Amino acid sequence: GQSLEQPSEVTAVEGAIVQINCTYQTSGFYGLSWYQQHDGGAPTFLSYNALDGLEETGRFSSFLSRSDSYGYLLLQELQMKDSASYFCALNYGGSQGNLIFGKGTKLSVKP
Amino acid sequence: EPEVTQTPSHQVTQMGQEVILRCVPISNHLYFYWYRQILGQKVEFLVSFYNNEISEKSEIFDDQFSVERPDGSNFTLKIRSTKLEDSAMYFCASREQGVRRGYTFGSGTRLTVV
Repeated sequence: GQSLEQPSEVTAVEGAIVQINCTYQTSGFYGLSWYQQHDGGAPTFLSYNALDGLEETGRFSSFLSRSDSYGYLLLQELQMKDSASYFCALNYGGSQGNLIFGKGTKLSVKP
Repeated sequence: EPEVTQTPSHQVTQMGQEVILRCVPISNHLYFYWYRQILGQKVEFLVSFYNNEISEKSEIFDDQFSVERPDGSNFTLKIRSTKLEDSAMYFCASREQGVRRGYTFGSGTRLTVV
């Protein structure tokens, strides 16, 4: 089977940098995705890593190391609006698009 | 920005009743999905749909569940004989051919079975 582990909660201050780690176990996958979810809202796509290395999208970056079964999401210049839950997810399946989600990390950004 | 639209936003139903959750995916997307999220838990895959047929389903998606794309725009999830444990937020999602832009999720239908 497949499983993902993330910290349940992270707290940081406005303007800081925070890294949310994700370790996984899987027999095969196509890539690692990250989604943001505000309370009561829909998951919103942030980033996708198909290959090892860093992907940068504005203030957000995501990293994947297949050899270490590890990835992370890096959020820079934190803003209050970044307070949300962040999920890593494995892309698998014949169409590459089915997702297995981790349990999520609740990020609280303090002033 | 194109959106995935789900209706209703809330649905309360009695145990044993049938419910139909409706979704309008983004028009040029090819892959459609249903996920659910029990309160406070992770998002769980239910079913994927491509080319007018189910491409994959999870062990959660048993005979109680069915999906349809009755016309060119709607995508529905039917739950027959609902159970208390079916109470959850149900998300519809769609995506393009590639995965690099991820899914677009709808805002969800909160189903409460009483």
